[in-house]
Amino acid sequence: QSALTQPRSVSGSPGQSVTISCTGTSSDVGGYNYVSWYQQHPGKAPKLMIYDVSKRPSGVPDRFSGSKSGNTASLTISGLQAEDEADYYCCSYAGSSVVFGGGTKLTVL
Amino acid sequence: QVQLQESGPGLVKPSQTLSLTCTVSGGSISSGSYYWSWIRQPAGKGLEWIGRIYTSGSTNYNPSLKSRVTISVDTSKNQFSLKLSSVTAADTAVYYCARGSGRDGYNYGGWGQGTLVTVSS
Repeated sequence: QSALTQPRSVSGSPGQSVTISCTGTSSDVGGYNYVSWYQQHPGKAPKLMIYDVSKRPSGVPDRFSGSKSGNTASLTISGLQAEDEADYYCCSYAGSSVVFGGGTKLTVL
Repeated sequence: QVQLQESGPGLVKPSQTLSLTCTVSGGSISSGSYYWSWIRQPAGKGLEWIGRIYTSGSTNYNPSLKSRVTISVDTSKNQFSLKLSSVTAADTAVYYCARGSGRDGYNYGGWGQGTLVTVSS
């Protein structure tokens, strides 16, 4: 299995919106509605932000939203805040395994 | 609230076996439809799924690591463990244990703090 493809970096100013893409194949992202997204600050464990493509766990701001089209999933963060600066990883169910994306560094300008 | 804590040697020699344990507190490892997983992250790199175990004992492993990985569970101690054999420098990473839910436990709402394992002689 190959890692899902994410852009290495994205950036945006406070208050703006950014979208991070995650491209897989029909064996993972495209084959199931089971994509999750994680936020990771330096030196910390990842935190679940989105699951099942577009669902938010309790406590995650509604500024975070997820979607999927074909083999590509997306995470959109609206109303950017300084604390959103972090690494973001997508993750997909892939049948008998799980596959992560390579990660995207979000910089808030 | 369930908490997870990794433990084990921080230094392992090449060709030896890496062994880590994850202790679950605040709830029974046997309760609920959860999968218990190991995920690792080399310094400055992305997350890599290692494998998972259900409390029934059924396991799934990353195909690229399958020949070297064993995950087991000890419900009496509320722990699950990872063994990775024939390690090389490429296995140096922060190792996380995590609780998975949803479809075959693919999403991880609970994580340990992570433990750094260095492979070096």
